[in-house]
Amino acid sequence: KAGVTQTPRYLIKTRGQQVTLSCSPISGHRSVSWYQQTPGQGLQFLFEYFSETQRNKGNFPGRFSGRQFSNSRSEMNVSTLELGDSALYLCASSIRDRNTGELFFGEGSRLTVL
Amino acid sequence: QQQVKQSPQSLIVQKGGIPIINCAYENTAFDYFPWYQQFPGKGPALLIAIRPDVSEKKEGRFTISFNKSAKQFSLHIMDSQPGDSATYFCAASRQGFNKFYFGSGTKLNVKP
Repeated sequence: KAGVTQTPRYLIKTRGQQVTLSCSPISGHRSVSWYQQTPGQGLQFLFEYFSETQRNKGNFPGRFSGRQFSNSRSEMNVSTLELGDSALYLCASSIRDRNTGELFFGEGSRLTVL
Repeated sequence: QQQVKQSPQSLIVQKGGIPIINCAYENTAFDYFPWYQQFPGKGPALLIAIRPDVSEKKEGRFTISFNKSAKQFSLHIMDSQPGDSATYFCAASRQGFNKFYFGSGTKLNVKP
């Protein structure tokens, strides 16, 4: 069974640009969450989608947005990039939308903002 | 405000030692406490998880101890091996919310 797939794995952008990251969950998983991982802050929750609806949202500015498609694939977008947005962005899928199961993480998309 | 506090930040033990990683939380509504293991270049993977109705859970060489009154939980790794060298994260979530609060991570180095 294929795991969570994130693309692209690495990308470099400059301040002010925008970026879109993609996540394909494990087949059958309907919940997709996004986390930002940085050395100083650890893993911080961005948002969670279930059946194309945002169910939970973290404390990030409106520049961070996401969506989920009918096939459960998800994208997140960061507009007007800032240097502090440099991080590993992790996508996680789970089989249910409640905290009754584990999160399956992808290997992440490493974003560098210059 | 960090919802889950984790210590130590790093840990070095000899092979066969028992590293212990501690976490504390404030929100009494949390009812699911997983531990994740992350190797360089990989995403975190679930190691073991516990709910507050039990005080201890063991899976292989990994044990979670849970103290509900103190709002603390810890991970013990028995007979640690060099292959256990990784970063470990504790986490917590509330019933009905698929939103996890992670600790800041502990980088474990098990020396041969």
